[in-house]
Amino acid sequence: QQQVKQSPQSLIVQKGGISIINCAYENTAFDYFPWYQQFPGKGPALLIAIRPDVSEKKEGRFTISFNKSAKQFSLHIMDSQPGDSATYFCAASKIRGSSNTGKLIFGQGTTLQVKP
Amino acid sequence: SQTIHQWPATLVQPVGSPLSLECTVEGTSNPNLYWYRQAAGRGLQLLFYSVGIGQISSEVPQNLSASRPQDRQFILSSKKLLLSDSGFYLCAWSPWSGANVLTFGAGSRLTVL
Repeated sequence: QQQVKQSPQSLIVQKGGISIINCAYENTAFDYFPWYQQFPGKGPALLIAIRPDVSEKKEGRFTISFNKSAKQFSLHIMDSQPGDSATYFCAASKIRGSSNTGKLIFGQGTTLQVKP
Repeated sequence: SQTIHQWPATLVQPVGSPLSLECTVEGTSNPNLYWYRQAAGRGLQLLFYSVGIGQISSEVPQNLSASRPQDRQFILSSKKLLLSDSGFYLCAWSPWSGANVLTFGAGSRLTVL
């Protein structure tokens, strides 16, 4: 019930195309869903995050779509660029409540390659 | 501003040798601290987290241990490394207030031969 399942494992997209990465969770107590971006040899960095009270959040070319009833959320990268080539991780966490420890449960990661 | 330092960046150790990876955070007080491991082709596995000095919670039973001797220092250790301990180890911190925004260090690449 603590798992976050992410797909696809790898993705190749042409420059200018749309990259879509999907995640599913089981624990309905999760109330915070971030996406992290990791370049080779570096630590992951927060890209964008959403709370379940909204269905979509957009920051520049990056959009999170959230479907609470299906317990799924996805990352859309519009106009994908070669510089977006990286590994992307979805994650989930429970913020509300005194037992919050701040820890995130991560998906397995998606390696994105954007071809010029 | 807050910064997180992690060292060593790269480590090659023989099986059965000890391990010590260190992580320090600057510019904040009473952070939550985490150790994650990233194996090749796999996701980020939470190993340990700490909400205060001397308070360590283990997520995965194994031959690794963690300690927090100071507020902003987190150490990952092993007495005897196994081949399966090879991986990319990441330290991270988040504000104690529970914002759950993790900031990761640059990572330590461990190869056990």
